[in-house]
Amino acid sequence: SAVISQKPSRDICQRGTSLTIQCQVDSQVTMMFWYRQQPGQSLTLIATANQGSEATYESGFVIDKFPISRPNLTFSTLTVSNMSPEDSSIYLCSVGLSVHEQFFGPGTRLTVL
Amino acid sequence: KQEVTQIPAALSVPEGENLVLNCSFTDSAIYNLQWFRQDPGKGLTSLLLIQSSQREQTSGRLNASLDKSSGRSTLYIAASQPGDSATYLCAGCPAGTYKYIFGTGTRLKVLA
Repeated sequence: SAVISQKPSRDICQRGTSLTIQCQVDSQVTMMFWYRQQPGQSLTLIATANQGSEATYESGFVIDKFPISRPNLTFSTLTVSNMSPEDSSIYLCSVGLSVHEQFFGPGTRLTVL
Repeated sequence: KQEVTQIPAALSVPEGENLVLNCSFTDSAIYNLQWFRQDPGKGLTSLLLIQSSQREQTSGRLNASLDKSSGRSTLYIAASQPGDSATYLCAGCPAGTYKYIFGTGTRLKVLA
């Protein structure tokens, strides 16, 4: 398994601002992912964070809105840019280990006013 | 497009009951399947992983099975306890990808 931490655990932000969420893993992993969970909904994959190259975004998500960094094999950041109340969600990072089992961080609960 | 449905959406049972949660995929070509537990406002805890060569997995009071021919999975919880109260999510990884697609979840409440 993997131990994953996220910072911040929660935040309340004003519309129009940006928030950067950090994800730290206790071991080197190839695959890291960012998910969004809107209130009362299931998880939707935002992007795959690739080490040393641009992230791969899913349909409906763009780099300008959700820029992602992956400077090494244990760390990634997701920025939620120019926020609106519709961005209020839980944002989760996950890692894929061998045999593609995924483990999740504790999540970041974001409220945009 | 792969879609994942979980039935029931919500379930309330008295303590001690055995229960079954269901998960179905529109495309039965699932490579791996994972069941997760999510407590309110928290992240996901991995419960069971069924790999491509397997049909079921067991951990303690939990048993998960996968019927690839029909694209259906069930999670069986024996002798339920109030501490089992949470939302249970299934997620399938389609063949040829590494990305999991999540179900809609089942909110379970076990009454003491």
